[in-house]
Amino acid sequence: ETGVTQTPRHLVMGMTNKKSLKCEQHLGHNAMYWYKQSAKKPLELMFVYNFKEQTENNSVPSRFSPECPNSSHLFLHLHTLQPEDSALYLCASSPRTDPYEQYFGPGTRLTVT
Amino acid sequence: LAKTTQPISMDSYEGQEVNITCSHNNIATNDYITWYQQFPSQGPRFIIQGYKTKVTNEVASLFIPADRKSSTLSLPRVSLSDTAVYYCLVGDLNTGFQKLVFGTGTRLLVSP
Repeated sequence: ETGVTQTPRHLVMGMTNKKSLKCEQHLGHNAMYWYKQSAKKPLELMFVYNFKEQTENNSVPSRFSPECPNSSHLFLHLHTLQPEDSALYLCASSPRTDPYEQYFGPGTRLTVT
Repeated sequence: LAKTTQPISMDSYEGQEVNITCSHNNIATNDYITWYQQFPSQGPRFIIQGYKTKVTNEVASLFIPADRKSSTLSLPRVSLSDTAVYYCLVGDLNTGFQKLVFGTGTRLLVSP
């Protein structure tokens, strides 16, 4: 399925680097999400955008900075990350009318060294 | 926020029907029930959603009793490729943005 794409699929970065994750959805949805999934842990909702407006920030450290320029694109800017930030980062989108019907991208496997 | 409880794991064999039950005793009037499937190192996949009685699609069926305090995801004739983690989510579609919690899910293992 190519409804939600994410790039890059894999990323290795040092703690002093700055990088960005990109997500694009082709489903005509108005809501987009960033999740973090660490090994052996449940998905953690990080950010929610509804019609390009950020509606949720679940106590995420400021070293993660989201950007939503339009309802089809979502970025996650990363800087000065820690090794414990290594995880699978997943992007999802949904219709505004049903936040529970989400479609996920393949994820970016991030390793912080 | 309706808390959900699912079995941690289940085992089955190819060709069998699998029923995974989710308890949500304090489900609210406006809450819907949604199920997802997740394979390792992939994002979850939306399977099915319902409010009451029975919903069926090409992948699964969702049974919801009249009191709505539980729901059962039914997978007919499972195959090895159905080995995955299955999540039950309960929430109000109008306010769900603030309450999306996937939990630990049910790990289904299908054996030959």
